[in-house]
Amino acid sequence: DIQMTQSPSSLSASVGDRVTITCQASQDIKNYLNWYQQKPGKAPKLLIYGASILETGVPSRFSGSGSGTHFTFTISSLQPEDIATYHCQRYDDLPWTFGQGTKVEIK
Amino acid sequence: EVQLVESGGGLIQPGGSLRLSCAASGFTFSSHWMSWVRQAPGKGLEWVGNIKQDGSERYYVDSVKGRFTISRDNAKNSVYLQMNSLRAEDTAVYYCTRITGIWYFDLWGRGTLVAVSS
Repeated sequence: DIQMTQSPSSLSASVGDRVTITCQASQDIKNYLNWYQQKPGKAPKLLIYGASILETGVPSRFSGSGSGTHFTFTISSLQPEDIATYHCQRYDDLPWTFGQGTKVEIK
Repeated sequence: EVQLVESGGGLIQPGGSLRLSCAASGFTFSSHWMSWVRQAPGKGLEWVGNIKQDGSERYYVDSVKGRFTISRDNAKNSVYLQMNSLRAEDTAVYYCTRITGIWYFDLWGRGTLVAVSS
């Protein structure tokens, strides 16, 4: 199975900071990657699909890029409500797998 | 309101069986693949399996093949997860999810906790 390595596992940043999370696939997955946000005690929420397409209603400070094996998720200006764990997920082939998650905290 | 509501979780002994249900509302249920995703306590997300709109295709992660079965009833707007031969490592919150496009989980239920312990 293709493995997804997400980093960092956690980070602490200040309000207004630019935050970047990466997801590395063990093989080429083209652009078959999604990003989800999971707030504490809640279900995940889709933010980005197809590596870079913003889901309807998601603030534009969230963005995704990349293709092949290297992907990046960015929050351009961190807000207090962005405190959550972020997960990448590949869907190029079964079994679909998720990264280990990145916990984002406010400094 | 567009939503998914899971039920059926609980405490079960190893080797036991449990059936989870997911009731969908607010959208055309029969038009979507559906999926189950689980999350062990303090861990990441794990895809469990998918079922096609008419139930003709089902796919599972290797760790549950032969033990778990996904089914659906489009007349009742519901999807199910039958879990047999449960193990401690199956302990998790189980989320029902809707699949849209190619392929992403765009709608999630609140989850139901399954705890496998003696």
